[in-house]
Amino acid sequence: GAVVSQHPSWVICKSGTSVKIECRSLDFQATTMFWYRQFPKQSLMLMATSNEGSKATYEQGVEKDKFLINHASLTLSTLTVTSAHPEDSSFYICSASGAWETQYFGPGTRLLVL
Amino acid sequence: AQTVTQSQPEMSVQEAETVTLSCTYDTSENNYYLFWYKQPPSRQMILVIRQEAYKQQNATENRFSVNFQKAAKSFSLKISDSQLGDTAMYFCAFTSTFFRGNQFYFGTGTSLTVIP
Repeated sequence: GAVVSQHPSWVICKSGTSVKIECRSLDFQATTMFWYRQFPKQSLMLMATSNEGSKATYEQGVEKDKFLINHASLTLSTLTVTSAHPEDSSFYICSASGAWETQYFGPGTRLLVL
Repeated sequence: AQTVTQSQPEMSVQEAETVTLSCTYDTSENNYYLFWYKQPPSRQMILVIRQEAYKQQNATENRFSVNFQKAAKSFSLKISDSQLGDTAMYFCAFTSTFFRGNQFYFGTGTSLTVIP
C-alpha cells in the first residue's frame, strides 16, 4: 500500500518551454502533497506544499509563477515548470500524505533543460 | 526552529556486519515523529522505519532498529546483517503534527556503502 507514482521519469526540453510533472497517489487519498527539488548528493529541498482544492504554499525563494502547482483531486498533483531554463535542470520529487504523518515518495523526475 | 543533524557524511560496512547511523534533532515540540528514509542509486525514497515520540519503545523493522533517546534528542539507526542492497543514502527526518501539512525537516544524509 501507499504507492505514489510520478510521470514522466525523464524529460529533456528546450529552454523557454514548459514542462508538466504529474504526481499520483495510487492506493490512498492524499490530503497533502509535497514537491521537492534535489541536487546531486544533497538532501531534499522543499519547494511547496499543496492541499487538495486550495492554493499551494511555497517556500521562501521559490517562484510561484515559475513553478505552478495544481492539486486538483485527492489523488493528483501537478508541477509545471514554466519557461524552463538550464538552471531549472534538477531532480524533482513529489510525496503524498494521507490522514497520517508519514510521507510516501514518488520515484522522481529528472529534468534536463537544454 | 527545527533542525536535524546527521554528522556522518559517509560510512562503510562489511557485508553481514552491523552499522549505526547517527541523527540528532532540535525541537521544542513534545509530540513529533521521526523517520529514516533510504535513497538507493535509483533515487526512489523508501521509508525504512518511523518512531512516534510518545512511544518509549524503540521501533524495529526486521534488520533495522532505532535507538531513540528523547531527552538527548537522538535517533540513531542500526542496520544488522548488512546486505549489498543496503548501499544507499540514508536521510533522517522529523515532523510534528503541529506543522502545516506535516512538513518534514531532513538531515543532510549519510552515504552508506556495504562492502562485499
